[in-house]
Amino acid sequence: AQKITQTQPGMFVQEKEAVTLDCTYDTSDQSYGLFWYKQPSSGEMIFLIYQGSYDEQNATEGRYSLNFQKARKSANLVISASQLGDSAMYFCAMRDLYSSASKIIFGSGTRLSIRP
Amino acid sequence: EPEVTQTPSHQVTQMGQEVILRCVPISNHLYFYWYRQILGQKVEFLVSFYNNEISEKSEIFDDQFSVERPDGSNFTLKIRSTKLEDSAMYFCASREGQMITEAFFGQGTRLTVV
Repeated sequence: AQKITQTQPGMFVQEKEAVTLDCTYDTSDQSYGLFWYKQPSSGEMIFLIYQGSYDEQNATEGRYSLNFQKARKSANLVISASQLGDSAMYFCAMRDLYSSASKIIFGSGTRLSIRP
Repeated sequence: EPEVTQTPSHQVTQMGQEVILRCVPISNHLYFYWYRQILGQKVEFLVSFYNNEISEKSEIFDDQFSVERPDGSNFTLKIRSTKLEDSAMYFCASREGQMITEAFFGQGTRLTVV
């Protein structure tokens, strides 16, 4: 069975600082994908970044990067130069890539608050 | 940019009533999902749908729930007899194809059962 663990229920960060949101996972699958989604107070789920288990390089998307450490089963999200608009709930998620219709499972989330 | 759209954005219903939550996935997507999020809690998988049939369902998805893709565009979630504990945000998501990995979510329907 797959499991995602996010150990930081909440974080406060000063604007313009970098922030790392922790995520560890557990799976017996050999091929899987890791995702981060952002949920602002308006409620929608916004896809941020994806990392495949066989990707050798860490994924980057603008100010977002994913620090993927396969041996440690961690997939931390790094946000550089944080902005007030980054205040939101952040969910780490994963999906087995063997089964084409497999579900995405989510961690419990981290609420990030950016201080001006 | 194509997006998943859900209607209504908010629905209030009496306990015991039937509700239908509607979703229009992105047009060339093949895989469809329903998730729910009880206020302040984690996002829970309900059901996945591919090739006009359910691929997988969770323990939450009991006989009170059903999904349908009645035409080429809509994907609906029906709750036959709502309970107070069905109050939650319901998200529809779609994914393009087997090799395309990320799922795109709609803005959600907030269901309140009174």
